[in-house]
Amino acid sequence: DVKVTQSSRYLVKRTGEKVFLECVQDMDHENMFWYRQDPGLGLRLIYFSYDVKMKEKGDIPEGYSVSREKKERFSLILESASTNQTSMYLCASSLSTSGSPDTQYFGPGTRLTVL
Amino acid sequence: AQTVTQSQPEMSVQEAETVTLSCTYDTSENNYYLFWYKQPPSRQMILVIRQEAYKQQNATENRFSVNFQKAAKSFSLKISDSQLGDTAMYFCAFMIQGAQKLVFGQGTRLTINP
Repeated sequence: DVKVTQSSRYLVKRTGEKVFLECVQDMDHENMFWYRQDPGLGLRLIYFSYDVKMKEKGDIPEGYSVSREKKERFSLILESASTNQTSMYLCASSLSTSGSPDTQYFGPGTRLTVL
Repeated sequence: AQTVTQSQPEMSVQEAETVTLSCTYDTSENNYYLFWYKQPPSRQMILVIRQEAYKQQNATENRFSVNFQKAAKSFSLKISDSQLGDTAMYFCAFMIQGAQKLVFGQGTRLTINP
C-alpha cells in the first residue's frame, strides 16, 4: 500500500515563528502536493512538485514556500506564521507526470494552530 | 478557471438507505476527469470513484456509482445500501487532462444513522 506520512498530527505555534511541515511518501511517486483544508472551502492547493527541486505555485501560495531535496520528501514552510494560517494541512502524492491522471494518495493531515 | 460546487454542506440518512450527493463544475475544457474522495473522521482521504469525461458510461464501484451529465456539468455520487462506515466528508474534484492538479469542491458531510 502507498503510504504518505506527515511529521505531526497536531502542531501549535506562535505568531511569527518559522514552521516546517514534513511529508514523506514511500512509493517513489514523482508528484507531491500540499493543500490546506478549511471548513466551507474544501481543499485548496498551496504548492506542488513534479520532480526533485521542482515546484509550482498552486492557488494560494502566499505566505508559504516549499522544498523538495529528495524524491520522497516534500516540506511546507511557513516563514513567519500568522493566525490566518491556522488550518488543516494535507500532503498528497501521485505516481507520474504522464497525461493520464494518477490517483492522489493523502497523508493523515497536520492540524496547525497559530496563536 | 475551473470551479467545483457542492451545494449540500451536510446530509444525513438512515443505514441501508440510498443517498445522492450533488456536484456541479464549471470549465471550458473538453477533456477532463472527475473524482469523488472520501475523508472519514480522523482518517486519511481516499479515492472513491473517478470518471473520464470522454466516457459516456457512468462509473460504478460496488455500492458507489455516479451520474455524469456532461452537458449540464453535473457529477453526482450515489451510495446504495448505505453503511455506518460511509459516514465521512465527501469531496468532488476536477482535473484537466494533462495536468496533475485537483480542484476540489467545498465538501459534503454525510452521516449515516443506525
